[in-house]
Amino acid sequence: DTGVSQDPRHKITKRGQNVTFRCDPISEHNRLYWYRQTLGQGPEFLTYFQNEAQLEKSRLLSDRFSAERPKGSFSTLEIQRTEQGDSAMYLCASSLDGGLNTEAFFGQGTRLTVV
Amino acid sequence: GEDVEQSLFLSVREGDSSVINCTYTDSSSTYLYWYKQEPGAGLQLLTYIFSNMDMKQDQRLTVLLNKKDKHLSLRIADTQTGDSAIYFCAEWDGGSQGNLIFGKGTKLSVKP
Repeated sequence: DTGVSQDPRHKITKRGQNVTFRCDPISEHNRLYWYRQTLGQGPEFLTYFQNEAQLEKSRLLSDRFSAERPKGSFSTLEIQRTEQGDSAMYLCASSLDGGLNTEAFFGQGTRLTVV
Repeated sequence: GEDVEQSLFLSVREGDSSVINCTYTDSSSTYLYWYKQEPGAGLQLLTYIFSNMDMKQDQRLTVLLNKKDKHLSLRIADTQTGDSAIYFCAEWDGGSQGNLIFGKGTKLSVKP
């Protein structure tokens, strides 16, 4: 296993378009997290899954954002009608059960630029 | 709400010790973390400390926690140029399983 994988690494889109990102967690990890990181800031929590169940959503996750993890393995994050303010690095992380005392492994992120 | 504060920049010479400081506001923080982010890369967990501990040492890394003052520090001994990166302090608020609160990060520059 090569760790948490995110695809694509970079995405440039026009304002108003929809985009979808994919995250493949470490195979035995049942927890999966999405964070957003804007320039000069630390990552901000968006949402997390325990297996296929989405258990927590941040207020940052507006109605234009939706995340899925249909089979409890890979996850997708979709942003509809993108806005320039959505430009950021979107980070995915995964961990074994047991809360955050167990290490969360982060992917390299998907950098979104909305023009 | 919860907040995590860090100084934004630190510059040291190779071989010196680096000390990166962090303050947090949530007294119910259960775990506190240090992550490293190199340019173009994801976050790498360096170490974490449970809130009932005062100190944790792991090779060149020493974490000190002053729970009374809500102050966390990361000391890197014998700092190398490969240590140049952004270091993030983070806390788990204890309320939700997914909500790590990160600081803005401290950019460490190591000069040869």
